[in-house]
Amino acid sequence: GAVVSQHPSRVICKSGTSVKIECRSLDFQATTMFWYRQFPKQSLMLMATSNEGSKATYEQGVEKDKFLINHASLTLSTLTVTSAHPEDSSFYICSARVGGTEAFFGQGTRLTVV
Amino acid sequence: AQKVTQAQTEISVVEKEDVTLDCVYETRDTTYYLFWYKQPPSGELVFLIRRNSFDEQNEISGRYSWNFQKSTSSFNFTITASQVVDSAVYFCALSAGDTTSGTYKYIFGTGTRLKVLA
Repeated sequence: GAVVSQHPSRVICKSGTSVKIECRSLDFQATTMFWYRQFPKQSLMLMATSNEGSKATYEQGVEKDKFLINHASLTLSTLTVTSAHPEDSSFYICSARVGGTEAFFGQGTRLTVV
Repeated sequence: AQKVTQAQTEISVVEKEDVTLDCVYETRDTTYYLFWYKQPPSGELVFLIRRNSFDEQNEISGRYSWNFQKSTSSFNFTITASQVVDSAVYFCALSAGDTTSGTYKYIFGTGTRLKVLA
């Protein structure tokens, strides 16, 4: 299957700083990328959907000014958590899709804000 | 509304027992896709199976089998002769069209934590 690489896998940052997470489709061009957030022992919650070259569509309740998503190319999407706070600590997972309905998931990024 | 329900929060079994994980979905779409993923402690989602709404054939892959029944909107997953390595959280997911954006989105169930005891 197609490979989606997410980087970094773990990151610890200080409260008030920003952190960027990258999601790359390695062997295919992704027309659509999705970002999810998962709190401990909970399900994956869709944060936003991004199509290459256009603004991301955020789910209700997700602050777009806090979670900046850029999908500048068909193989790269980035999620920047701005002015991170401890409550932003979570597991973030991206997925990428090329047409169709099947998406391929990255390995996830565990963010800890201290 | 589109929804996936995994009523079993946590299941514990003894190694070699069979275990079935339940998944019930809701969608008004006639074309949709169902998935099962395994999430070990590392967090990465491991793809197990994909099923489209027009294919109700049950599937077996080694110790894994899936029972898709449109009449009851269920897509259950059975592990035969469970092993300790099967311990993980298992998610059922539905991919169907979103009427607002027209995009196919994944909707995940809340997951079932399976513990297989030696």
